[in-house]
Amino acid sequence: NAGVTQTPKFRVLKTGQSMTLLCAQDMNHEYMYWYRQDPGMGLRLIHYSVGEGTTAKGEVPDGYNVSRLKKQNFLLGLESAAPSQTSVYFCASSYSQAQLSYEQYFGPGTRLTVT
Amino acid sequence: TQLLEQSPQFLSIQEGENLTVYCNSSSVFSSLQWYRQEPGEGPVLLVTVVTGGEVKKLKRLTFQFGDARKDSSLHITAAQPGDTGLYLCAGEDAGGTSYGKLTFGQGTILTVHP
Repeated sequence: NAGVTQTPKFRVLKTGQSMTLLCAQDMNHEYMYWYRQDPGMGLRLIHYSVGEGTTAKGEVPDGYNVSRLKKQNFLLGLESAAPSQTSVYFCASSYSQAQLSYEQYFGPGTRLTVT
Repeated sequence: TQLLEQSPQFLSIQEGENLTVYCNSSSVFSSLQWYRQEPGEGPVLLVTVVTGGEVKKLKRLTFQFGDARKDSSLHITAAQPGDTGLYLCAGEDAGGTSYGKLTFGQGTILTVHP
């Protein structure tokens, strides 16, 4: 049981290049999320998905696109990378339960540097 | 947009000392979660509090949710070097269907010296 996995772990891009980050979960969770983490700012939600084929914007969606073609996968795309997108990116998944709390399970992160 | 103010941002203490981390907001949350993150890894859930006034204990860690569900605290008794890490609070949006969306505090970097 791998939980939540992310690929790649590290990536360096030049301004204007594109890339896709892959997140996979094997817990059959309905909900998936992409966050970015910057020093002193905690985690900020980029996009999220509440089920296969659905996506929605989070707090900081500009410059990113996502797709959820399969329930277990959630892809984050950068069409034209900018230095401001240098960050650590985390994927998470969760499920709903009887109590109104959604415990999230995080992947190990992808460290992206845009030069 | 809901905001969570977490303090202090940095905490450096000696082994055996006690400490408290605070999360405050002007917004009401349906639940408050606390996570711990090690360098190079993703956050790991420590506890979820859902009821106003709720207190939960996890060994030497005590978590409290404010009566109005706008604030929370994490208290560590007799801190140990193994407690070193980044602690994050996160509130789940209240009202309507949140789909588990969380608002995170800025985090507290705790260093416990032997």
